[in-house]
Amino acid sequence: SAVISQKPSRDICQRGTSLTIQCQVDSQVTMMFWYRQQPGQSLTLIATANQGSEATYESGFVIDKFPISRPNLTFSTLTVSNMSPEDSSIYLCSVAPQVSNTEAFFGQGTRLTVV
Amino acid sequence: AQSVAQPEDQVNVAEGNPLTVKCTYSVSGNPYLFWYVQYPNRGLQFLLKYITGDNLVKGSYGFEAEFNKSQTSFHLKKPSALVSDSALYFCAVRDQAGTALIFGKGTTLSVSS
Repeated sequence: SAVISQKPSRDICQRGTSLTIQCQVDSQVTMMFWYRQQPGQSLTLIATANQGSEATYESGFVIDKFPISRPNLTFSTLTVSNMSPEDSSIYLCSVAPQVSNTEAFFGQGTRLTVV
Repeated sequence: AQSVAQPEDQVNVAEGNPLTVKCTYSVSGNPYLFWYVQYPNRGLQFLLKYITGDNLVKGSYGFEAEFNKSQTSFHLKKPSALVSDSALYFCAVRDQAGTALIFGKGTTLSVSS
């Protein structure tokens, strides 16, 4: 299993500002994933972060808006840039070990409100 | 491309009755299937998974799911619902180890006393 610490757990931010969310894993993992969960909605994959290379973004998400860092095998950050109220969501970090019979693990999420 | 469908936005059931939350999937290879539950203002909790083997998978809190390859389904079931089971349930799929999960839209389960 993997234990993921994500912070901050929640924040209220002014529009036009940026917030960086941190994700720390208690073991080394190759891939880390960032998801967004808009109010009352499902989890949507933002990007996949592989250590040592640029993140791979899903359709509808761009690096300028959601820059991601992955400096080592246990840590990643997601920045939500130039925020607007539409960015109000829960952002979750996840890891999925390369072992086939293992589920994905999730952080507790960051509840972001943009005012 | 992988996808998951949860056809019901909400499932209502009386306490003590059996419950089913439906999920169908589409993947190009062999599916890895998962159910997660989310309680209000809490993170995702893993319930159960199908990787290979027996089609009937048992998980946490008395939940089970049946993998049906011909119908590409992975319905979540519980013989006797509890009020405390009321939550948002997500079905998810991936087609290889170590890759991101793709989630269904979620089904709200409401169990009445």
